Amino acid sequence: LAKTTQPISMDSYEGQEVNITCSHNNIATNDYITWYQQFPSQGPRFIIQGYKTKVTNEVASLFIPADRKSSTLSLPRVSLSDTAVYYCLFSGAGSYQLTFGKGTKLSVIP
Amino acid sequence: DGGITQSPKYLFRKEGQNVTLSCEQNLNHDAMYWYRQDPGQGLRLIYYSQIVNDFQKGDIAEGYSVSREKKESFPLTVTSAQKNPTAFYLCASSVTGASNQPQHFGDGTRLSIL
Repeated sequence: LAKTTQPISMDSYEGQEVNITCSHNNIATNDYITWYQQFPSQGPRFIIQGYKTKVTNEVASLFIPADRKSSTLSLPRVSLSDTAVYYCLFSGAGSYQLTFGKGTKLSVIP
Repeated sequence: DGGITQSPKYLFRKEGQNVTLSCEQNLNHDAMYWYRQDPGQGLRLIYYSQIVNDFQKGDIAEGYSVSREKKESFPLTVTSAQKNPTAFYLCASSVTGASNQPQHFGDGTRLSIL
């Protein structure tokens, strides 16, 4: 199965920019990279998706280098409510399944 | 508002019992999914359905069964054959079954064994 590698946890102070990097060495040509956010006792929530270069929406930015073997989720000026687990995913070529790893637990400190 | 509704939020099961978890969506999505999440772990796929009257096993289908008789409904039955059913169960849907389609999740059902 397709596999990603992310830091297990990160801490940040309020108001700082947070960058979470994910490596995906075996990403296939047709795969998209997607990030989800999960709060305790809730389902994951889609944050952002990209294929290459940079994607930005009202919540985050996603940076993908040319080789696409990694991606970085950037959260500008985090607040306490951004404390959550963040998952990086991509699909195997031709697959209809998503593979969730353990994610990165982000803790925002006052 | 459109979304996914899972019920109940908490469910208790006695040894040897089958229990059914409900998942309903009003997003008009073709594809639906069931995941299991254990403490401190990511999500693992149990079953998925790309279209009505069709479903496929995921990575951990043993001890579970599903049906997809209506587009908006995808109930999951946890059978007595599932030896370790205590977990957080999440249902999701997407416009189509393609893996690059964002999935929309419900708020889960937490199942515990009495």
